[in-house]
Amino acid sequence: DIQMTQSPSSLSASVGDRVTITCRASQGISNSLAWYQQKPGKAPKLLLYAASRLESGVPPRFSGSGSGTVHTLTISSLQPEDFATYYCQQYYSSPPTFGQGTKLEIK
Amino acid sequence: QVQLVQSGAEVKKPGASVKVSCKASGFTFTSYAMHWVRQAPGQRLEWMGWINAGNDNTKYSQKFQGRVTITRDTSASTAYMQLSSLRSEDTAVYYCARDSARVAVAGTVYTFDIWGQGTMVTVSS
Repeated sequence: DIQMTQSPSSLSASVGDRVTITCRASQGISNSLAWYQQKPGKAPKLLLYAASRLESGVPPRFSGSGSGTVHTLTISSLQPEDFATYYCQQYYSSPPTFGQGTKLEIK
Repeated sequence: QVQLVQSGAEVKKPGASVKVSCKASGFTFTSYAMHWVRQAPGQRLEWMGWINAGNDNTKYSQKFQGRVTITRDTSASTAYMQLSSLRSEDTAVYYCARDSARVAVAGTVYTFDIWGQGTMVTVSS
């Protein structure tokens, strides 16, 4: 199975900040990478797929990049509703696997 | 609206089985694959398997092979996940999730665009 590792595991930031989360795969996954946002007690929400494609309805302050083994999620200007846990997921090979999550907290 | 509604929380004893349901509405159920993903407390999300709601084909994670069975009832637009031989490590929230692509168009792409609300399964003696 492909192992996914996110960094950092937690992050404190303020409204208006630009933040970047990194996801590393144990082997190359091309651009077969999705990002999800999860709030406490809720199901995950798909934000991006194919590394950089925004899911319908997701604000453009979210962006993704990367190819191969290193991928990033960037939030250009944090809004109050963005404080949540973010997960990356590879779908290059089965089984699909997720990162351990990055908890984004208010500073 | 497009949604998946799951059955309620369950408490089971070790060795028992649990069956969780996931009712789809707002879209053509048989056009999609339905996945099951679980999340143990404080842990990462873990994919368990999927069913092609159109033709009943299934695929399971090797980790759960032999213990998990995913079925569907097209007349009720409902998918089911049964997990047997439960142990304490199976305590988790279980989610159903729709594959992002219409299966006849793109196959199963393994990204998940619609999720159920989750079902807490507690395994305790």
